[in-house]
Amino acid sequence: GNSVTQMEGPVTLSEEAFLTINCTYTATGYPSLFWYVQYPGEGLQLLLKATKADDKGSNKGFEATYRKETTSFHLEKGSVQVSDSAVYFCALSVPYNTDKLIFGTGTRLQVFP
Amino acid sequence: GAVVSQHPSWVICKSGTSVKIECRSLDFQATTMFWYRQFPKQSLMLMATSNEGSKATYEQGVEKDKFLINHASLTLSTLTVTSAHPEDSSFYICSARDVAGVSYEQYFGPGTRLTVT
Repeated sequence: GNSVTQMEGPVTLSEEAFLTINCTYTATGYPSLFWYVQYPGEGLQLLLKATKADDKGSNKGFEATYRKETTSFHLEKGSVQVSDSAVYFCALSVPYNTDKLIFGTGTRLQVFP
Repeated sequence: GAVVSQHPSWVICKSGTSVKIECRSLDFQATTMFWYRQFPKQSLMLMATSNEGSKATYEQGVEKDKFLINHASLTLSTLTVTSAHPEDSSFYICSARDVAGVSYEQYFGPGTRLTVT
């Protein structure tokens, strides 16, 4: 079946540190991959996406590359800020049914000054 | 940007009563809305897909008679948890897809925390 596995949190970093949040997936076919972010008290927001192998999604300094060979879509940022503190969800859309999203469990990021 | 609201943000009810949760798209029209359920430290699980003017499509294992969904307009979908029990306590999240959008992007509400005592 289709599933997403992401690293458990919380991830605690100092400001300006490098961030990696791992995400791997299992899917039949060729899914699109997403990272969503949820700030405290707000709804999930699309952070970035990639629709095919080797695509790199990027936004607000965050990047993730669709790696078909390792079935991964790790989220990275070179220098985190306190304002990046949030919960990050990796997700995939089911092939041939792009309305359905399958989510990972979410990873809480805490950045301290 | 596209904003989706949910009301209430949290609710406590007694076992056996029914609770209605509203999901509204504030600045766009949504032919399709989605209802998710999230348990602590777990994924968002899609419960059902709600289409304006037609019956909702429920995911396998979701009781449609217990979780009633009504998508009466292009900006409003409601989820009613009927005869709620403590095991229904959870975080319920809705999302909406912009009818004018060219992508399948979903815009999410902030969620409703339901506690059944």
